Amino acid sequence: DTAVSQTPKYLVTQMGNDKSIKCEQNLGHDTMYWYKQDSKKFLKIMFSYNNKELIINETVPNRFSPKSPDKAHLNLHINSLELGDSAVYFCASSQELGPLHFGNGTRLTVT
Amino acid sequence: KQEVTQIPAALSVPEGENLVLNCSFTDSAIYNLQWFRQDPGKGLTSLLLIQSSQREQTSGRLNASLDKSSGRSTLYIAASQPGDSATYLCAALPTGTASKLTFGTGTRLQVTL
Repeated sequence: DTAVSQTPKYLVTQMGNDKSIKCEQNLGHDTMYWYKQDSKKFLKIMFSYNNKELIINETVPNRFSPKSPDKAHLNLHINSLELGDSAVYFCASSQELGPLHFGNGTRLTVT
Repeated sequence: KQEVTQIPAALSVPEGENLVLNCSFTDSAIYNLQWFRQDPGKGLTSLLLIQSSQREQTSGRLNASLDKSSGRSTLYIAASQPGDSATYLCAALPTGTASKLTFGTGTRLQVTL
């Protein structure tokens, strides 16, 4: 069983479209995250939720909106996609100050 | 603001060699220091987590050390194997509420036959 699963694995779409990425964890963790990995492989946090409550909101465009319907799910919705949004997006979860567990990533390509 | 640096950016070693990957961080006020590996097209896999009160952690052929006073951590891999080829990332978790794990840019390791 996959601990942190995110879908889709690949997402190719045109500029201006709206898309969503879904994430689910079955580890019972309280905290979930979205990270963005750019073309230079640098990982940067975007959002963090603890028990469905937003606790970290980095400086990202407000076209990006996370939603956590329950503590096992954290989805990412992106409006009006731009070329610069092309990247790999990773979902992760952790318990308190424990190690992060990552999903396999969603490679978003905006054309 | 925490900054994490990893040197070297890339490393190639023959199979069987012992090797050390370096990680340095600018702010010693951390909860923990984490090491991950990332295989191409995959997510990150947690390898070791060292609490701020600890000096080292071991798992199999891996040993990670932490020296907070100097802002350094090392990942030692013994008897390297081709399957160890991956990108290794370290990340520091600063103290404070809503703290954010800050990642280094990684060391890309290739172990050759």
